[in-house]
Amino acid sequence: GDSVTQMEGPVTLSEEAFLTINCTYTATGYPSLFWYVQYPGEGLQLLLKATKADDKGSNKGFEATYRKETTSFHLEKGSVQVSDSAVYFCALSDPWDYNTDKLIFGTGTRLQVFP
Amino acid sequence: DTEVTQTPKHLVMGMTNKKSLKCEQHMGHRAMYWYKQKAKKPPELMFVYSYEKLSINESVPSRFSPECPNSSLLNLHLHALQPEDSALYLCASSQEREIGNQPQHFGDGTRLSIL
Repeated sequence: GDSVTQMEGPVTLSEEAFLTINCTYTATGYPSLFWYVQYPGEGLQLLLKATKADDKGSNKGFEATYRKETTSFHLEKGSVQVSDSAVYFCALSDPWDYNTDKLIFGTGTRLQVFP
Repeated sequence: DTEVTQTPKHLVMGMTNKKSLKCEQHMGHRAMYWYKQKAKKPPELMFVYSYEKLSINESVPSRFSPECPNSSLLNLHLHALQPEDSALYLCASSQEREIGNQPQHFGDGTRLSIL
């Protein structure tokens, strides 16, 4: 079945450091890929998405590129802030599977940014 | 601010109580979801409603009973819960499934504690 694998956390960085959170996926079809962020005490917020190969999603300085050849969707940010501290979830769904609307989540990666 | 509103934010109940969680969205979305999230884990899908009809039940125990009174509202009725049901319950919504894959928009959740 479809699955998502994320790097183990926590990721601990100093402010203004470069961030990469790795995400790879396994899917039988052509999935759409998402990054969601969950701040402490809150629900999930969509951070960015990509629906086909070579698409780049971007939002709030974060970027991720849909790489079909490596089945990856790594999240990057050039300069992190303390306010970026949160848990980041990579997820996929198969738009051609009309039997389900399931989002397949990775296990989540906690990011801690210190001043 | 989230566009999916969940009430209450916190709920403490005994194992013999009956309570309900409520979710509301006014984005015209026709698919709505209930998820359960334990600490340090990704959300787990419980139910999916599409056009106000239950389309997916992920083998959830009958002590959880979903209801979709109209296209904007989603309830989760709780009865005779167990301590292991303590978790964050998240509601989400998305546009019609047939449009292709649309991202899900999450509420901030109800934190449920079972005594």
